[in-house]
Amino acid sequence: GNSVTQMEGPVTLSEEAFLTINCTYTATGYPSLFWYVQYPGEGLQLLLKATKADDKGSNKGFEATYRKETTSFHLEKGSVQVSDSAVYFCALSDFTGGGNKLTFGTGTQLKVEL
Amino acid sequence: DGGITQSPKYLFRKEGQNVTLSCEQNLNHDAMYWYRQDPGQGLRLIYYSQIVNDFQKGDIAEGYSVSREKKESFPLTVTSAQKNPTAFYLCASSNSRQGRNTGELFFGEGSRLTVL
Repeated sequence: GNSVTQMEGPVTLSEEAFLTINCTYTATGYPSLFWYVQYPGEGLQLLLKATKADDKGSNKGFEATYRKETTSFHLEKGSVQVSDSAVYFCALSDFTGGGNKLTFGTGTQLKVEL
Repeated sequence: DGGITQSPKYLFRKEGQNVTLSCEQNLNHDAMYWYRQDPGQGLRLIYYSQIVNDFQKGDIAEGYSVSREKKESFPLTVTSAQKNPTAFYLCASSNSRQGRNTGELFFGEGSRLTVL
């Protein structure tokens, strides 16, 4: 079956540091890949996505590139801010059987300090 | 504004009681989903529905029930058979129609259930 593995947290960084959160996946076929962000006490919001190999998703300074050869979709940001503190989830879509079921990683908590 | 509304935001239940969580969307999406979130385990799919009057079990359906009588609504009942119901529950929807399905899910803000 499909699965997503992402690095465990929490990740603690100083403001303006470089961020990488690793994500690798196992899937049949050619899934779409997503990063979602969850702020404390809230639901998930889509951060970025990529639908095919070599696509780069980007939003709010975050980027991730769909690497089919390494089955990875690592999240990066060049300079994090305190407001980026949240939990980040990597996910892949599964269209088998109709509908759209996302398989999520376990989430990585990011804490950014001044 | 279009979106997904979950209620209540916080809910307390005594052991042995059933409780129903509400989820309403005005995005005109065909598909709706319920996920459960536990610390360190990410999100796990409970039930999903691709169309009115039809729904399928997800990975952890035992102890839960759903209905889909209207396109806009997908309530989740946590029954007394659910052995560990304390969790954060998230409802989501997506546009699953061919040609419009981007794979993206839109989430509500969640309902936190605590069993006393």
